Amino acid sequence: DVKVTQSSRYLVKRTGEKVFLECVQDMDHENMFWYRQDPGLGLRLIYFSYDVKMKEKGDIPEGYSVSREKKERFSLILESASTNQTSMYLCASSPRYRDYGYTFGSGTRLTVV
Amino acid sequence: GIQVEQSPPDLILQEGANSTLRCNFSDSVNNLQWFHQNPWGQLINLFYIPSGTKQNGRLSATTVATERYSLLYISSSQTTDSGVYFCAVEHNFGNEKLTFGTGTRLTIIP
Repeated sequence: DVKVTQSSRYLVKRTGEKVFLECVQDMDHENMFWYRQDPGLGLRLIYFSYDVKMKEKGDIPEGYSVSREKKERFSLILESASTNQTSMYLCASSPRYRDYGYTFGSGTRLTVV
Repeated sequence: GIQVEQSPPDLILQEGANSTLRCNFSDSVNNLQWFHQNPWGQLINLFYIPSGTKQNGRLSATTVATERYSLLYISSSQTTDSGVYFCAVEHNFGNEKLTFGTGTRLTIIP
């Protein structure tokens, strides 16, 4: 089975801190994605990547950046955490150009105080 | 962007009942997926179904792309089926990013 592993299940950070959320997949997938999930707003795409060192903005990239130095790892960075970034963050991966669905990690619930 | 609407928003059923969840989308799609989010937040991919019909045990799904809707059928519901069901679509060919609907929350009562 494909596994997508997110480094932390729960995280509490202070306003203004730089926060790193890590995601690792073990099936050589080209595509990786970061979503955030909020009550009433559903899942919204922050950033995605088709390959190493490639990144594309999603629907809500403001306040975030990403890094993909290795194919298996996709990091989400909150440059200066704010309380409105308190959310559930979900990472996913999928193979490119093949009829196969996304595989999600178990999520990181981030609280910014 | 593409709009994805799911209905009903909430559904409460007795164990053993059957249910049909609907997903409508506003434009042509290249990819449609159904997910189940369990009470612990884990999203599980149920179907990759841009068109046609697929079955997996008690679950089946049908997508009629020309009419812009998909249906997820759950038969003989069990309490473990509880959670939120999401439909997600890919709008732009080659883009491979999904837009999610707002989900149907299913509660199965023993």
